[in-house]
Amino acid sequence: DGGITQSPKYLFRKEGQNVTLSCEQNLNHDAMYWYRQDPGQGLRLIYYSQIVNDFQKGDIAEGYSVSREKKESFPLTVTSAQKNPTAFYLCASSRTQGNEQYFGPGTRLTVT
Amino acid sequence: GDSVTQMEGPVTLSEEAFLTINCTYTATGYPSLFWYVQYPGEGLQLLLKATKADDKGSNKGFEATYRKETTSFHLEKGSVQVSDSAVYFCALSERAAGNKLTFGGGTRVLVKP
Repeated sequence: DGGITQSPKYLFRKEGQNVTLSCEQNLNHDAMYWYRQDPGQGLRLIYYSQIVNDFQKGDIAEGYSVSREKKESFPLTVTSAQKNPTAFYLCASSRTQGNEQYFGPGTRLTVT
Repeated sequence: GDSVTQMEGPVTLSEEAFLTINCTYTATGYPSLFWYVQYPGEGLQLLLKATKADDKGSNKGFEATYRKETTSFHLEKGSVQVSDSAVYFCALSERAAGNKLTFGGGTRVLVKP
């Protein structure tokens, strides 16, 4: 079955540690995205990538980093510089930028 | 910049009631419009979309019409079920903004038996 996988579903970290969230897709999509969702709020774009080896900052990129070494994978690192990292993180992909996006199940990160 | 405004929830309904969720947008050009649904603990699923004025998107009994004159894309369903309980997000994508999705804040819908 084609789709987007995110792992793990729940992640716990201590303050000051970097943590990497996984996102893999087997849909052969060129574009991939990372969003952050806070309780009762909409989604905010962190980073996006239109093609392998290229990515751009979204609206709230500070404290995050990404890489796009393979078409299928777009990992997100939440660094210790992110002041409020506890949130629900959603990865998405689309055939090309502008087409409808397909979302993964999300990773809930809790930093204490 | 682009923005999407949705009615605030939660919206609580009885089964078989009529559902309307208002959505209005601000955009510089002619965006594509989307409704996504998020069930508890899950990611978002595309519910329906419309790409030009007067288009009607429909899926699973839900409908929304792209109204350019009122910059709106209201979501409707004639008879809701308990399984429709979820959070609904209105979103737009505009070529001038690099085709990135801009989301509204989401509307939580709770359908009671």
